[in-house]
Amino acid sequence: QVQLQQSGAELVKPGTSVKLSCKASGYTFTSNHMNWIKQTTGQGLEWIGIINPGSGGTSYNVKFKGKATLTVDKSSSTAFMQLSSLTPEDSAVYYCARSRGNKQLYGNWFAYWGQGTLVTVSS
Amino acid sequence: DTVLTQSPALAVSPGERVSISCRASEGVNSYMHWYQQKPGQQPKLLIYKASNLASGVPARFSGSGSGTDFTLTIDPVEADDTATYFCQQSWNDPDTFGAGTKLELK
Repeated sequence: QVQLQQSGAELVKPGTSVKLSCKASGYTFTSNHMNWIKQTTGQGLEWIGIINPGSGGTSYNVKFKGKATLTVDKSSSTAFMQLSSLTPEDSAVYYCARSRGNKQLYGNWFAYWGQGTLVTVSS
Repeated sequence: DTVLTQSPALAVSPGERVSISCRASEGVNSYMHWYQQKPGQQPKLLIYKASNLASGVPARFSGSGSGTDFTLTIDPVEADDTATYFCQQSWNDPDTFGAGTKLELK
């Protein structure tokens, strides 16, 4: 069965960076795209961006350009998201979520989600 | 960005029918999707592309609409349906989500 296993909670200081991981299993990693989604109590759910694990190609929500960097390691079927220059506003639960493929070609809905990683930015 | 507007909360009795609405600030064709989220859990896909039931989701859930107005219907409602329901559009860039409708059972 498809599983997305995310890394554990992070407590980080303002101004630093953090790299979250999402290990996929139960399917061919390069056959589907991976999305990252932010959830906060105040702002709700926000789509950060998408990566094609096969090509490494990415597309970002303009709001998160410069904040988030998406990468993959095909050898370990793992997707990563690095968040930089962290501020308290980056405190949130971050989810990885699998979509079918090219957004424009297939649409973009999320049938599989990781369990989420809580990031707390505090000095 | 496309703003999705949902009612904040609804309260219904078990066995009743409930409709949860989502209105988009601009047309999204049929690319509206619905999720259920319970406290401490990740969202779960219910409906994709307006009216398609996701795998494993009970037929009590259904979706309708196109353009700017969409509805998720639960009929009949069961106690386990207590949750927050989100809509998401993927027609316009970036994908956006509604703020969620919290469904409570009387």
